[in-house]
Amino acid sequence: AQSVTQPDIHITVSEGASLELRCNYSYGATPYLFWYVQSPGQGLQLLLKYFSGDTLVQGIKGFEAEFKRSQSSFNLRKPSVHWSDAAEYFCAAEHNNDMRFGAGTRLTVKP
Amino acid sequence: ETGVTQSPTHLIKTRGQQVTLRCSSQSGHNTVSWYQQALGQGPQFIFQYYREEENGRGNFPPRFSGLQFPNYSSELNVNALELDDSALYLCASSPQGRAYSYEQYFGPGTRLTVT
Repeated sequence: AQSVTQPDIHITVSEGASLELRCNYSYGATPYLFWYVQSPGQGLQLLLKYFSGDTLVQGIKGFEAEFKRSQSSFNLRKPSVHWSDAAEYFCAAEHNNDMRFGAGTRLTVKP
Repeated sequence: ETGVTQSPTHLIKTRGQQVTLRCSSQSGHNTVSWYQQALGQGPQFIFQYYREEENGRGNFPPRFSGLQFPNYSSELNVNALELDDSALYLCASSPQGRAYSYEQYFGPGTRLTVT
């Protein structure tokens, strides 16, 4: 069955530290891949997307993600986290109009 | 440019009742998708409307139905509410028929509580 897995439910990092959020997908073919962020009481905001081509994708707010076909992964990274990055992060995949989200990773930023 | 708006913000209903949730698309967007987000989970796709026609549906029963109007605003209707229908309902609009190939713009959601 097609699925998206985010192995980490909750991650805590110090402000200024680097961040990596993990995402794995299980699809028969390579889906389109997305990362969204959701702040409390807000809808989802698209950070970046991967359709094809360069496997390192740049997004908004200083985020980037790397697609690795061999590992079926699409991990999100940021070199230096800011307190305002504290939020819930969702990885999503779409193939043939079937859009699925992971369960999310909650990011806490320590001062 | 106005973003995606949803109404109401919060809603409390009793099991067995019916509910209608509303969504106004971002200007120029002709595709609307609806998602259910249960507490602590990621959004689950309910269905999508493109130019007033249903254009895809997730694994939700027929008591979840929708409409899209000529101005591309949309409604989500849920009949015979169950306790498990309690969730945040998100609407997302996008400018193309193949919505998932392009950016989706999400509204803030409607929090539905079924008692």
